[in-house]
Amino acid sequence: EAGVAQSPRYKIIEKRQSVAFWCNPISGHATLYWYQQILGQGPKLLIQFQNNGVVDDSQLPKDRFSAERLKGVDSTLKIQPAKLEDSAVYLCASSSGTGRNEKLFFGSGTQLSVL
Amino acid sequence: GESVGLHLPTLSVQEGDNSIINCAYSNSASDYFIWYKQESGKGPQFIIDIRSNMDKRQGQRVTVLLNKTVKHLSLQIAATQPGDSAVYFCAENIPPGGSYIPTFGRGTSLIVHP
Repeated sequence: EAGVAQSPRYKIIEKRQSVAFWCNPISGHATLYWYQQILGQGPKLLIQFQNNGVVDDSQLPKDRFSAERLKGVDSTLKIQPAKLEDSAVYLCASSSGTGRNEKLFFGSGTQLSVL
Repeated sequence: GESVGLHLPTLSVQEGDNSIINCAYSNSASDYFIWYKQESGKGPQFIIDIRSNMDKRQGQRVTVLLNKTVKHLSLQIAATQPGDSAVYFCAENIPPGGSYIPTFGRGTSLIVHP
């Protein structure tokens, strides 16, 4: 079974530029998550999708971050314009549902450096 | 603030020793907890889980203990190996309004010395 795929693996941009990350979840997984992991910290949930609907985006900085999952499969996360504090690893994860006992399966992440 | 936290940011052990990693949680509504292992350059990987109706669960070389009275979790790794070196996170599934939100703590870095 293929795992969660993410691209690109690394990205370096200057502040105020825009950037986009792509994620393809495990086949058949209805729920997709984007997490931000700043160095030395645990992953922080940015947005959670169930199929193509948003379950939770309360911690997504909506003035600069956007995410979509139009067909309920793969997803993109965009930052525009980027700030220095956006430097982090962006992790995508998927699970089969949103129930109590869901285990998350993570991709390897995209490491973003904002200069 | 974070609802899940870890007591020790770094734990150093000798190969063959047993390791204990602790975690505190504050959301009394959480009833499912997971430990993840994150190796350098990779995403977190599921290790073991426990439901709130249990106080102990064992896997291969790993045991998770849950104390709901003091809202505390621990991960015990027996006969720690160099391959166990990683950052370990506890996570809780918080039910804010129907759908469960997986929430992670800060993590503990486990360093195993050969």
